Amino acid sequence: NAGVMQNPRHLVRRRGQEARLRCSPMKGHSHVYWYRQLPEEGLKFMVYLQKENIIDESGMPKERFSAEFPKEGPSILRIQQVVRGDSAAYFCASSRGTHYEQYFGPGTRLTVT
Amino acid sequence: SQQGEEDPQALSIQEGENATMNCSYKTSINNLQWYRQNSGRGLVHLILIRSNEREKHSGRLRVTLDTSKKSSSLLITASRAADTASYFCATDGGGSNYKLTFGKGTLLTVNP
Repeated sequence: NAGVMQNPRHLVRRRGQEARLRCSPMKGHSHVYWYRQLPEEGLKFMVYLQKENIIDESGMPKERFSAEFPKEGPSILRIQQVVRGDSAAYFCASSRGTHYEQYFGPGTRLTVT
Repeated sequence: SQQGEEDPQALSIQEGENATMNCSYKTSINNLQWYRQNSGRGLVHLILIRSNEREKHSGRLRVTLDTSKKSSSLLITASRAADTASYFCATDGGGSNYKLTFGKGTLLTVNP
């Protein structure tokens, strides 16, 4: 049973470009969460999605960030017009329900130059 | 308010010794989860303990939960060099909440 998959593992973008991060949840999981980890800090919740629905995006910056989890395919976290402050590790987690274990992927390390 | 504050921030022990890490939180919870993160890597789920449980074991891991004190501890017995990592606790905020709140973690170093 494959774990949570994320790609790419490392992403370098210049300021102003778009970053697109992908997450495939564990088999049988329909709940996806995105978290961001800034250097020397713990993880911070960004958004919670179920298939085709954004349930809670209270942790997402109001501008430039968006997320989706389509009926088919992976969940996508999109960051438009990236800035240096967006440099961080972005982790995706999945679970089979809201009060079950959240299993994390290996993360995507975004570097904005 | 900050949930999931781990203590100590750093812990250095010799191989074979036991390591104890503590976590305090501020609000009610449905469950508390412990994770391990090796430097520059993803989080590995270790154990979930529900609010109505007081103790849980998994291999060399023992987790306790005291909801009256809003605290949890993670004990790793007979530590190995491969246990060197950062350890985080995460809480869900209780009720219908689901988003995990993490502390800054405890950096455990196990010296061979």
